[in-house]
Amino acid sequence: EPEVTQTPSHQVTQMGQEVILRCVPISNHLYFYWYRQILGQKVEFLVSFYNNEISEKSEIFDDQFSVERPDGSNFTLKIRSTKLEDSAMYFCASNPGLSETQYFGPGTRLLVL
Amino acid sequence: GDSVTQMEGPVTLSEEAFLTINCTYTATGYPSLFWYVQYPGEGLQLLLKATKADDKGSNKGFEATYRKETTSFHLEKGSVQVSDSAVYFCALRTAGGTSYGKLTFGQGTILTVHP
Repeated sequence: EPEVTQTPSHQVTQMGQEVILRCVPISNHLYFYWYRQILGQKVEFLVSFYNNEISEKSEIFDDQFSVERPDGSNFTLKIRSTKLEDSAMYFCASNPGLSETQYFGPGTRLLVL
Repeated sequence: GDSVTQMEGPVTLSEEAFLTINCTYTATGYPSLFWYVQYPGEGLQLLLKATKADDKGSNKGFEATYRKETTSFHLEKGSVQVSDSAVYFCALRTAGGTSYGKLTFGQGTILTVHP
């Protein structure tokens, strides 16, 4: 069964460094999402992406964040200058249509020191 | 804005016990409702869903009914197993408008089932 994959599974970085989290959505899906979960808190929506542009973003998704679909398969989340409070589990998700089920990847655990 | 509230956890049960995890929501319009499950070390998996009032979603012995009058979507299972130990998330998807399908999640409920 097709699945969403994410790399790396864990990343440790120093405050102020740039990180890129990578996701490979399911191949025929059209809508892509990033969510995050700070330890012990809710899963929060960050951004949705469709037709090669951001379609919706939350207040969390400020100028430090960016997303890109550099080729036909990858979907990346970049954090330009990480802060301690960016430490969280980041989930990628995709679906073939807006009314369809979103499929989630296993997540990347980011730790900012 | 839209929000989802789940019952406080964690929940600890013995095998074969009855499970209820409460979920209530606040939303404009008519959202779709979901339960996702996260097993240790894995991503979020859709457990069940309901897209309109009075719909019942069911899967793997779990059930939840979309109750518009009480804005609730409580998760139930008649007899839990050790393998059901996981984190359960209630979520809604805003209907139409400018939403591009984002999910709004509750805080998650940790379920531990003992033999």
